[in-house]
Amino acid sequence: QVHLVESGGGVVQPGRSLTISCAGSGFRFSDYGMHWVRQAPGKGLEWLAIISDDGGSNYYADSVRGRFTISRDNSKNTLYLQVNSLRHEDTAVYYCAKMAFDDWGQGTLVTVSS
Amino acid sequence: DIQLTQSPSFLSASVGDRVTITCRASQGIRNHLAWYQQKPGKAPKLLIYAASALQNGVPSRFSGSGSGTEFTLTISSLQPEDFATYYCQRLNTLFTFGPGTKVDIK
Repeated sequence: QVHLVESGGGVVQPGRSLTISCAGSGFRFSDYGMHWVRQAPGKGLEWLAIISDDGGSNYYADSVRGRFTISRDNSKNTLYLQVNSLRHEDTAVYYCAKMAFDDWGQGTLVTVSS
Repeated sequence: DIQLTQSPSFLSASVGDRVTITCRASQGIRNHLAWYQQKPGKAPKLLIYAASALQNGVPSRFSGSGSGTEFTLTISSLQPEDFATYYCQRLNTLFTFGPGTKVDIK
């Protein structure tokens, strides 16, 4: 059974950086591209980034390109999202999802507040 | 950049009703569209991919249709567990979501 578990969220001051993680199990992690999606409180879903199965290519939403970095470590079955220069509007639940969006994690809440 | 719109934004319906939600793309996206259901505090659940293919385990009362710029999600007979928010999503290089349609109890 596929299991995706995000971690690393919390309260962070504006301007700081944060790296959140997504641990995968129950499937061959290195065979699948992976996504990050976020949802601000009371708002809709926003796709953020995708990374290929081998980590060799990635794409970002225009709204986060240059400030967010998606990466993965297939030896650890883990996906990462580094967020720099955090802003209040980055406050959201951050989800990871498998390539076809058929499996999602439970999300990790990032709150940007001074 | 291709934008997705959904209508209606909010829908009030009763158990047993037939419900249709529309998603429109600002440019043609062939059949590269998915539909999701999301309940409060939960991750989205994939219902339909490739515009009309039913995801494994999803009840057959859910169906999708359309191609190009106009797509629909239909729930043939609304069940109590179907009250949720529904999102369409473009499936391509940039995986844009629509703004969502909340289905509430009348």
